[in-house]
Amino acid sequence: SAVISQKPSRDICQRGTSLTIQCQVDSQVTMMFWYRQQPGQSLTLIATANQGSEATYESGFVIDKFPISRPNLTFSTLTVSNMSPEDSSIYLCSVVRQGRYGYTFGSGTRLTVV
Amino acid sequence: AQSVTQPDIHITVSEGASLELRCNYSYGATPYLFWYVQSPGQGLQLLLKYFSGDTLVQGIKGFEAEFKRSQSSFNLRKPSVHWSDAAEYFCAVGAGNAGNMLTFGGGTRLMVKP
Repeated sequence: SAVISQKPSRDICQRGTSLTIQCQVDSQVTMMFWYRQQPGQSLTLIATANQGSEATYESGFVIDKFPISRPNLTFSTLTVSNMSPEDSSIYLCSVVRQGRYGYTFGSGTRLTVV
Repeated sequence: AQSVTQPDIHITVSEGASLELRCNYSYGATPYLFWYVQSPGQGLQLLLKYFSGDTLVQGIKGFEAEFKRSQSSFNLRKPSVHWSDAAEYFCAVGAGNAGNMLTFGGGTRLMVKP
């Protein structure tokens, strides 16, 4: 399966600031996704990161708040903008490799907003 | 739209006892089904997956799951639980396409008594 490097692993940020999370994969993958896991909750899909074009956002998530880039087949970033304490969550990157019916998850970024 | 229900939020079992975690899904076609485990402070690890074929699938760490189409279920089992199995378990369903995102159940927190 693909190996994912997600950075940072954790951060504590001031409200009103922004944080960019990076997801680097060791091989080319078909799909890249960003999920959010709020404290004590399950995972919710934020968006699908599309190479070279705008991400596809799920209901309740908007580009201004969660801008996503995917410049190539192995790298994506998620920015959490103008943060508030409600954004405190674990953010996870997930990938699907071409022709492989399996989803690999990064180790996550644990974000605390104070 | 697909959905997943994990009826049990918390389960406590004694070490050495058997385990069954329930998962019910809703999807209009043949689903791709997954079980993930998340240890405290960790990312998601894939335990097993079902795409087609034998409805009883074997996974890592001694886990297995059985797909029952008539019951729309994909329950996870282990014959003898170890203390290290204490974690959060998530069932997920994907559409019949490797590129579609996963929908997660709410999770079941497993506690193991000595």
